[in-house]
Amino acid sequence: AQSVSQHNHHVILSEAASLELGCNYSYGGTVNLFWYVQYPGQHLQLLLKYFSGDPLVKGIKGFEAEFIKSKFSFNLRKPSVQWSDTAEYFCAVLGAGFQKLVFGTGTRLLVSP
Amino acid sequence: GAGVSQSPSNKVTEKGKDVELRCDPISGHTALYWYRQSLGQGLEFLIYFQGNSAPDKSGLPSDRFSAERTGGSVSTLTIQRTQQEDSAVYLCASSPRPGPETQYFGPGTRLLVL
Repeated sequence: AQSVSQHNHHVILSEAASLELGCNYSYGGTVNLFWYVQYPGQHLQLLLKYFSGDPLVKGIKGFEAEFIKSKFSFNLRKPSVQWSDTAEYFCAVLGAGFQKLVFGTGTRLLVSP
Repeated sequence: GAGVSQSPSNKVTEKGKDVELRCDPISGHTALYWYRQSLGQGLEFLIYFQGNSAPDKSGLPSDRFSAERTGGSVSTLTIQRTQQEDSAVYLCASSPRPGPETQYFGPGTRLLVL
C-alpha cells in the first residue's frame, strides 16, 4: 500500500525566509511524486512532479523538490518565500501499477508580509 | 479552454437526506476522479472512472456512496442518507488519458450536513 506523511501541518514564515516542507512516502517500488498547491479560494493545482531522471525537480514560482530515494522523501523547497505563497501544500505519491494518487494531509503555509 | 466544473459549489443538507454532486470534466478527458477533502484528513480518493466504467471504487466509504458517469463525460456522486461525518469538500479531477499523472482539479463542492 502507498502512504504519504507530511509532518508539518502549519508553518508560519516571514517574507524572504527560506521554506522546506517535508514529505515522506511509503512504497517499495517505482514511484511518481507530486506537490500540489491550493491558494485561498482557488482550485488545487500542480506545483511540480517527479517521474524519473534528475532527482531535483523545478516547478513553478521558484519552487523545487528533491527526490531522495534512500530516505523515501520528496521535500519541497523555496529559497525566499513571498506573501503570495500563502496556501495549502499537498504531497502525493503514485506507485507503479496504481491508478490513484495518495495524498498527504497537507501543510498550511502562512507568509506574513 | 474551460476547466473542470462542479455543482453546486456549496450544499447544506439535513442528516438523512440524499444529495447529488455533479462534475463536468474537461472536454475529451477520458479519466475522471472523485476525492474527498475533510478537515485534517487531506485528500481521500473515492472512485476513478475510465470512460463510463469504474475500475476502482475502493475509496467509497460506505454503500451510501455511489457514482456514475454517462457519455464518457458528466459524473454524478450520490450520497444517500447523509450523515454529519459526510461533511467535506468533494473534489473532482479529470485527466486526458488513463492514469492520474496529469490531473486537472475542479473547484469542489462544499457539503455541510446538519
